[in-house]
Amino acid sequence: NAGVTQTPKFQVLKTGQSMTLQCAQDMNHNSMYWYRQDPGMGLRLIYYSASEGTTDKGEVPNGYNVSRLNKREFSLRLESAAPSQTSVYFCASRALAGSASEQYFGPGTRLTVT
Amino acid sequence: AQSVSQHNHHVILSEAASLELGCNYSYGGTVNLFWYVQYPGQHLQLLLKYFSGDPLVKGIKGFEAEFIKSKFSFNLRKPSVQWSDTAEYFCAVNSNYQLIWGAGTKLIIKP
Repeated sequence: NAGVTQTPKFQVLKTGQSMTLQCAQDMNHNSMYWYRQDPGMGLRLIYYSASEGTTDKGEVPNGYNVSRLNKREFSLRLESAAPSQTSVYFCASRALAGSASEQYFGPGTRLTVT
Repeated sequence: AQSVSQHNHHVILSEAASLELGCNYSYGGTVNLFWYVQYPGQHLQLLLKYFSGDPLVKGIKGFEAEFIKSKFSFNLRKPSVQWSDTAEYFCAVNSNYQLIWGAGTKLIIKP
């Protein structure tokens, strides 16, 4: 099993450009999550999908949109990138939201917006 | 709102020293607690978790944590650290559909 995969690994955007970060998991998990990680701020939840067909805002959703394409895939879109969105983005999945199961993380995407 | 507090943002230890990283949470209901580790340049990996039962939980690489309900704490411990334990450590608590994360503690082990 590959676990949780993310593409791309690195990306540089100019302010105002758009892009989509891709995430896929092969563990048949129901729940998927997008986080951003900034120095000294830990992990902040952007959006999550408790199950296929549902998405909900997390702590910092502004400037982002998500799509739960199917059970395996959960994408994050930046419509008009801003320098404040420079960060490392992690996707995670979990067997069942609200359960006592842990989250499994992808390798991350390092995004720089100039 | 639920929150998780990690008191030490940076910890520097020498090899073979004992480690204790603090984690306190604010949530009065049934809790599921986690410690994750992030090695330099890598993604987060689960170290250990508490769901129920024995409050002393053992994880990978010699780490353990103790859940003390009366203190709302879940401190991470290791009796003797190694240089390879240099990493950032995150505490998290389950809340509805999400995990609530602490800000992390950067641990540096001097060889």
